[in-house]
Amino acid sequence: DAKTTQPPSMDCAEGRAANLPCNHSTISGNEYVYWYRQIHSQGPQYIIHGLKNNETNEMASLIITEDRKSSTLILPHATLRDTAVYYCIVGLGSGDKLTFGTGTRLAVRP
Amino acid sequence: DVKVTQSSRYLVKRTGEKVFLECVQDMDHENMFWYRQDPGLGLRLIYFSYDVKMKEKGDIPEGYSVSREKKERFSLILESASTNQTSMYLCATSRGGPGGELFFGEGSRLTVL
Repeated sequence: DAKTTQPPSMDCAEGRAANLPCNHSTISGNEYVYWYRQIHSQGPQYIIHGLKNNETNEMASLIITEDRKSSTLILPHATLRDTAVYYCIVGLGSGDKLTFGTGTRLAVRP
Repeated sequence: DVKVTQSSRYLVKRTGEKVFLECVQDMDHENMFWYRQDPGLGLRLIYFSYDVKMKEKGDIPEGYSVSREKKERFSLILESASTNQTSMYLCATSRGGPGGELFFGEGSRLTVL
């Protein structure tokens, strides 16, 4: 499986955009980029995924570079409830053996 | 909404006991997974299943077995619990196919004394 690299921790101010980077330089052409988050004491929650194009949903935006070697998850207006660990993972699909690393711990400051 | 229910949020067992962790999903998903989560190690895949009575080893299957007799239920079994199996156990499910997402349960925190 392709591996990902994320910073261990980040913070941002409430109401500002949170931009979480992820490197996946060994991603193969048919692998998707997925983002999940895990709020303390809960199971991970799906946020968004993409293959080549940028994607947006009600939770976040996903920007994938043209060479697909990195991506950025954007939370446009972070709130305190967005404080969580964010995982960037790559894989062929939800049936694939998706490998979760240690993610980025995002702290949103009041 | 998909509901993935894990039988127990918190369990305390003794070394050598047999432990069953149950996971039930209500969305007719083909794929089911068991992960464990430990501080500093992220989520690690123990076993997964793509169909009834089918199972595949994940990255850390040693000390565990699984059972999938019905499509909606995937059980993780610790035949003889040990202290190094103290962990958070997470069940997940998915429809399968390209681009699909995983749905996780709330987790079961197991302590083995």
